[in-house]
Amino acid sequence: AQSVTQLGSHVSVSEGALVLLRCNYSSSVPPYLFWYVQYPNQGLQLLLKYTSAATLVKGINGFEAEFKKSETSFHLTKPSAHMSDAAEYFCAVSDNAGNMLTFGGGTRLMVKP
Amino acid sequence: ETGVTQTPRHLVMGMTNKKSLKCEQHLGHNAMYWYKQSAKKPLELMFVYNFKEQTENNSVPSRFSPECPNSSHLFLHLHTLQPEDSALYLCASSQDGMNSYNEQFFGPGTRLTVL
Repeated sequence: AQSVTQLGSHVSVSEGALVLLRCNYSSSVPPYLFWYVQYPNQGLQLLLKYTSAATLVKGINGFEAEFKKSETSFHLTKPSAHMSDAAEYFCAVSDNAGNMLTFGGGTRLMVKP
Repeated sequence: ETGVTQTPRHLVMGMTNKKSLKCEQHLGHNAMYWYKQSAKKPLELMFVYNFKEQTENNSVPSRFSPECPNSSHLFLHLHTLQPEDSALYLCASSQDGMNSYNEQFFGPGTRLTVL
């Protein structure tokens, strides 16, 4: 069975500060990992995904994530937060048993001016 | 229309009503999904259809009945719902339901309120 834990249901940063959203997973096989973003009243949009190629994955809007197998982590970072980054972020894992995603509980990112 | 669309965007229904949610994808995908997003709970996968065949039913109560007439359309028929079924229902699609690296594309969701 696979699972995802997102530490911190709410994260607040100042505009221009580093964004770090944490994700730890468990999976019995090498996983595929995804980060999605959800803006208010919208569906989920893919930010980036790890599919066993490069361990540092670059996504849209300046976000990136690093797959660390030894730590079973896939934390999401952005060097400088922008007001428009305020949203809810979801980490998800998919194993080799078909294209079914298991989501973490989500982290709401707030950006202060 | 592009991407994944869902109608209606908002729905209020009584516990004795029957209603349906509709999802349509314009991406040429072969797999479609229903998710439930409740406050303070992770997204829950409800159903998966791959090439119009249901491949996953995640222990969903029978008051939710999915229908997939073709690879582009997915319905969720609702009857005798409970107030705890109030949630955002998200539809998604992907190239197929077999390869775990395929990205899922989500619709905007239907906000359901059961009175």
